Amino acid sequence: DGGITQSPKYLFRKEGQNVTLSCEQNLNHDAMYWYRQDPGQGLRLIYYSQIVNDFQKGDIAEGYSVSREKKESFPLTVTSAQKNPTAFYLCASSVFPGGETQYFGPGTRLLVL
Amino acid sequence: EDKVVQSPLSLVVHEGDTVTLNCSYEVTNFRSLLWYKQEKKAPTFLFMLTSSGIEKKSGRLSSILDKKELFSILNITATQTGDSAVYLCAVPETSGTYKYIFGTGTRLKVLA
Repeated sequence: DGGITQSPKYLFRKEGQNVTLSCEQNLNHDAMYWYRQDPGQGLRLIYYSQIVNDFQKGDIAEGYSVSREKKESFPLTVTSAQKNPTAFYLCASSVFPGGETQYFGPGTRLLVL
Repeated sequence: EDKVVQSPLSLVVHEGDTVTLNCSYEVTNFRSLLWYKQEKKAPTFLFMLTSSGIEKKSGRLSSILDKKELFSILNITATQTGDSAVYLCAVPETSGTYKYIFGTGTRLKVLA
């Protein structure tokens, strides 16, 4: 089955800790995206990547980092600099950047201990 | 600044009612508008609209785009409790960044 997988489903972070959220797709899509969703605020773009080895900051990139070493994978690291990381994180991909339907993974809920 | 605005923010109806959700947008170089349904987890794709005045339909759901007035509506007829969800509207930004701009969503609750 083609699709997007995210892991873990739930993640707990301690103060000062960096954590990494996994996102993998087998759709052969060029573009991948990370969104943060908070109650009542819709989806906000953290980072996106149009192609392997390239990525751009979205609207709320501070405190986050990404890499795109493989087409299938776009992991997101939530660093200790992100002071309010509790949120639902969604990964998405599209065939090409910006002009096609986005497909979403099931999400990771990050909670701070 | 590019933006997408959805209304109403939330809506409570009874089964069998018909609802209309609104999405207005301001974006440079418009190409398409997307509707998604989000229940508990990942948004699932409903419709992509590119041409004005052409209705897209899937069962009890339908959507139409007005490129002159810069808005789209999503209609759900004969609502069921399974329609309860957040409905998101998104527009790809094509001014060189290829980001998607999402509205805040409309939370629909259908009561039995």
